[in-house]
Amino acid sequence: ETGVTQSPTHLIKTRGQQVTLRCSSQSGHNTVSWYQQALGQGPQFIFQYYREEENGRGNFPPRFSGLQFPNYSSELNVNALELDDSALYLCASSLARVGDGYTFGSGTRLTVV
Amino acid sequence: AQSVAQPEDQVNVAEGNPLTVKCTYSVSGNPYLFWYVQYPNRGLQFLLKYITGDNLVKGSYGFEAEFNKSQTSFHLKKPSALVSDSALYFCAVRGQAGTALIFGKGTTLSVSS
Repeated sequence: ETGVTQSPTHLIKTRGQQVTLRCSSQSGHNTVSWYQQALGQGPQFIFQYYREEENGRGNFPPRFSGLQFPNYSSELNVNALELDDSALYLCASSLARVGDGYTFGSGTRLTVV
Repeated sequence: AQSVAQPEDQVNVAEGNPLTVKCTYSVSGNPYLFWYVQYPNRGLQFLLKYITGDNLVKGSYGFEAEFNKSQTSFHLKKPSALVSDSALYFCAVRGQAGTALIFGKGTTLSVSS
């Protein structure tokens, strides 16, 4: 059983650029969520995908968008990067059954300069 | 709306002493409660969860948590702390099936030798 893998592990971008982060779900998991964790803060829910459809979204602007593919892997895209987007981005997968928790990846550290 | 509160930014305890990290929650319907631990520059590791049944839940690395419905609390405990337990601890709640995890802001546990 493989866990959740994220790529890249670290990334530096310039303000105004666009970035794509990738996540491979744990085998058999059909739900993926993305979280933003700013330094010294708890993870903040960005959005969730279930079977390729977005089925939940946190308080993030539309420039944060995503995709889930038929193999349940996922992408997080952020347009028009701002300095405040600098954070650890965590991907987590689950089976979305009642009581299921999430398996988290190690995250992508994004720095916007 | 779901929410989680971790009232302590930091908990300090001596090695060998019992530890408690506090968490209270707000959710409509039955709560599904989780504790995760995060080591520096790493993703989140699952410790334990409460779904239903016995109010005392046992998890990884000797940790346990007590669910108290009347006080809407889910405090993390360990009878004897280790220096290696020093990390950032997050409480999270999940409401109905399919919804994402909502995290508290985290509590830093520092265990001194």
